[in-house]
Amino acid sequence: SSELTQDPAVSVALGQTVRITCQGDSLRNYYVSWYKQKPGQAPILVIFGKNNRPSGIPDRFSGSGSGTTASLTITGAQAEDEGDYYCNSRGSGGHRVFGGGTKLTVL
Amino acid sequence: QLQLVESGGGVVQPGRSLRLSCVGSGFTFSNYALHWVRQAPGKGLEWVAVISHDAGNFYYADSVKGRVTISRDNSKNTLYLQMSNLRPEDTAVYYCSREKADYDAFDIWGQGTMVTVSS
Repeated sequence: SSELTQDPAVSVALGQTVRITCQGDSLRNYYVSWYKQKPGQAPILVIFGKNNRPSGIPDRFSGSGSGTTASLTITGAQAEDEGDYYCNSRGSGGHRVFGGGTKLTVL
Repeated sequence: QLQLVESGGGVVQPGRSLRLSCVGSGFTFSNYALHWVRQAPGKGLEWVAVISHDAGNFYYADSVKGRVTISRDNSKNTLYLQMSNLRPEDTAVYYCSREKADYDAFDIWGQGTMVTVSS
């Protein structure tokens, strides 16, 4: 299967740690990448490869994974971290697939 | 400044065609695979198509296969998406994005162009 499954919504108290997960068979064989999107804006890459952050992404964002599950962890969540988070991986035949997205609320 | 800028969106009737463009700047355009990703109103991201750096390979999502063609002109730093036989379910913001080499990640995104399919 080339589908990626995410929890629709997650909440976290300000300053606490939150984990957003992504499940799919393709994660056994391919890198996952994570994207953050604010309403009305284009997505931005926050994690790629095993656990790499593009320039400008705070180090409170980290990635991990094992088997068919990948996780994005935000350690010390800030108000500006609210938004929708999507995972992505390679699927079959050169395709790419996105998870359904997780809406993060910072309380 | 690394940048992708889409254009060509608009309102189109079902069954008609539309061509989207995406111009890249600030990087060596011909070195990178490029993608189209779309997002229907209130929905999540959906991958649409990819084209290799030299246009030698391309792949399409099942939802658009046979109705869209991805192409590029590296001499003009431009990516295209030709869409035909448009359906209301093709209504979405269409983003072009650059693939980060070796990581299957989209590291640069355009601002998106809106396509509305409606009679």
